[in-house]
Amino acid sequence: QKEVEQDPGPLSVPEGAIVSLNCTYSNSAFQYFMWYRQYSRKGPELLMYTYSSGNKEDGRFTAQVDKSSKYISLFIRDSQPSDSATYLCAMSARNTDKLIFGTGTRLQVFP
Amino acid sequence: EPEVTQTPSHQVTQMGQEVILRCVPISNHLYFYWYRQILGQKVEFLVSFYNNEISEKSEIFDDQFSVERPDGSNFTLKIRSTKLEDSAMYFCASRGTSGISYEQYFGPGTRLTVT
Repeated sequence: QKEVEQDPGPLSVPEGAIVSLNCTYSNSAFQYFMWYRQYSRKGPELLMYTYSSGNKEDGRFTAQVDKSSKYISLFIRDSQPSDSATYLCAMSARNTDKLIFGTGTRLQVFP
Repeated sequence: EPEVTQTPSHQVTQMGQEVILRCVPISNHLYFYWYRQILGQKVEFLVSFYNNEISEKSEIFDDQFSVERPDGSNFTLKIRSTKLEDSAMYFCASRGTSGISYEQYFGPGTRLTVT
């Protein structure tokens, strides 16, 4: 079983839709969970960071972590064409800085 | 807004040559990282660096790789004898030390092409 699994997509939605992006993981030691956005041939841009279980909201973005199910989600409300990018989940365990990334989900928001 | 910068943006080299990739982390950050992303694949951790020494490295980071902080602002990754399979995007990242924040901020990357 892969340590972090993420559906590569592509996911194509109309402008204004609510987008749900998800990752599952197998390592119960993961404590820190991040979502990055990556435009083509650019560096990952940090969007959201959460520690342990729960929800975190920032503008149109909401991150959820369910440690009991080993499942994390990123919701994007009122999606815009500028949200079109690849979204990467990343996580790490306590006492390590090594981030383990998912493969990324390619999102396309069409006008 | 402070950001991580990397040079060059694209480096082409011949197999067997040495390359040095350069990064300027965010100025008050103390933890530094290199990751790489082979085209179409996941971002993979290479090495973390703190207090002038390697704190963790992956299996990819073998004896052909080394890192250095030659001065107060730069952080470099050296590949001694490049192989074709070293062709990838190389990302530098850094993080601060506030609280228990594990937020790593990435640079735009250097695309390394080994021919």
